[in-house]
Amino acid sequence: QVQLVEFGGGVVHPGGSLRLSCAASGFTFSSYGMHWVRQAPGKGLEWVAFIWFDGSNKYYADSVKGRFSISRDNHNNTLNLQMNSLRAEDTAVYFCAQPDSNNWRQLNYWGQGTLVTVSS
Amino acid sequence: EIVLTQSPATLSLSPGERATLSCRASQSVNTYLVWYQQKPGQAPRLLIYDASNRATGIPARFSGSGSGTDFTLTISSLEPEDFAVYYCQQRSNWPITFGGGTKVEIK
Repeated sequence: QVQLVEFGGGVVHPGGSLRLSCAASGFTFSSYGMHWVRQAPGKGLEWVAFIWFDGSNKYYADSVKGRFSISRDNHNNTLNLQMNSLRAEDTAVYFCAQPDSNNWRQLNYWGQGTLVTVSS
Repeated sequence: EIVLTQSPATLSLSPGERATLSCRASQSVNTYLVWYQQKPGQAPRLLIYDASNRATGIPARFSGSGSGTDFTLTISSLEPEDFAVYYCQQRSNWPITFGGGTKVEIK
């Protein structure tokens, strides 16, 4: 069965950097594009970024464009999110999600998330 | 970007009652509308895709309808485990966008 486990969250100062990872198992990781979605405390869901199955194309939300970078390691079945110039409003639980094989914008499976807190 | 507006924000109902949740899009998304359920401390779970198709393992009491800009998620008879927050999401265009959520709470 599909398993997605995020790690790397923690507390960081404004302007700092953090790298999140998501370990994937139970499916052919290299055949799927992958998403990051975040949820601020007590708030709704916000899509963050998407990367094609082979890493050739990447899409970002305007709120993170130029600061965050999504990448993947298909040999190690790992999805990454490099977050730079962090702001207080980036505080959230970050989920990685696997989309449907035919509909990349439909999120079929989600990890449990990792909490990022940006605070001085 | 496509804005999704969910209503009501909170729905207070008793077990056994019918729940009707609304999601309205700022422009047509055809039937490319998805519904998720999220319980406290958990990840969202896919419920309905393409406006009206139940995901694997989702009970028949959950149904979705609509097309274009107006969509509805109906829970025919609420079970205790159905009290949660429900989000709609459009997959018509980039960027993916979500509605603000409807919380279904026990009355």
